[in-house]
Amino acid sequence: DAKTTQPTSMDCAEGRAANLPCNHSTISGNEYVYWYRQIHSQGPQYIIHGLKNNETNEMASLIITEDRKSSTLILPHATLRDTAVYYCIVRFQGAQKLVFGQGTRLTINP
Amino acid sequence: DTAVSQTPKYLVTQMGNDKSIKCEQNLGHDTMYWYKQDSKKFLKIMFSYNNKELIINETVPNRFSPKSPDKAHLNLHINSLELGDSAVYFCASSHRTYGNTIYFGEGSWLTVV
Repeated sequence: DAKTTQPTSMDCAEGRAANLPCNHSTISGNEYVYWYRQIHSQGPQYIIHGLKNNETNEMASLIITEDRKSSTLILPHATLRDTAVYYCIVRFQGAQKLVFGQGTRLTINP
Repeated sequence: DTAVSQTPKYLVTQMGNDKSIKCEQNLGHDTMYWYKQDSKKFLKIMFSYNNKELIINETVPNRFSPKSPDKAHLNLHINSLELGDSAVYFCASSHRTYGNTIYFGEGSWLTVV
């Protein structure tokens, strides 16, 4: 699985959009970009994933650049409950595991 | 309804003891996993089972023995516990062919004293 690079930490004001970047310059054509988050003392929570096209669900939007070498997870209206570590993971859809990096610690401030 | 459930949530035990953590999923998935998160917060896969068959074993000491009695259950038994086994253990599951998104349980906090 390709490696990803994320900022160690970010801050965002409550109510604003939180934009979390991820670089995955060695991604291959069949690898998907997955995002998970881990709220303190909880299990990792699936957020969204995509291959080429931008994706949106009830939690977030995923914007993938045309060359697929980077992506951005957008939480449109961040709340205090969105404070968590966010993991960007590149993975073949049929792969049998997720390889977690260090992630980005996102803090939502009141 | 809890999709992936683990018991116990907290476990404190002495070195040398043998303990088990149980996991059950009600998502109809055919693949289950155990992940370990150590004190530095790194999440690493330990085992993966598909249809009760072991498919991933990530160089885990043989004191750790997973057992999958059926597709919905994957238990983790640990023999001769050591201080370094203290960690949070997460169970997870997915469907190998349908999307394969992996869903995690809430974790089992193991402390070895």
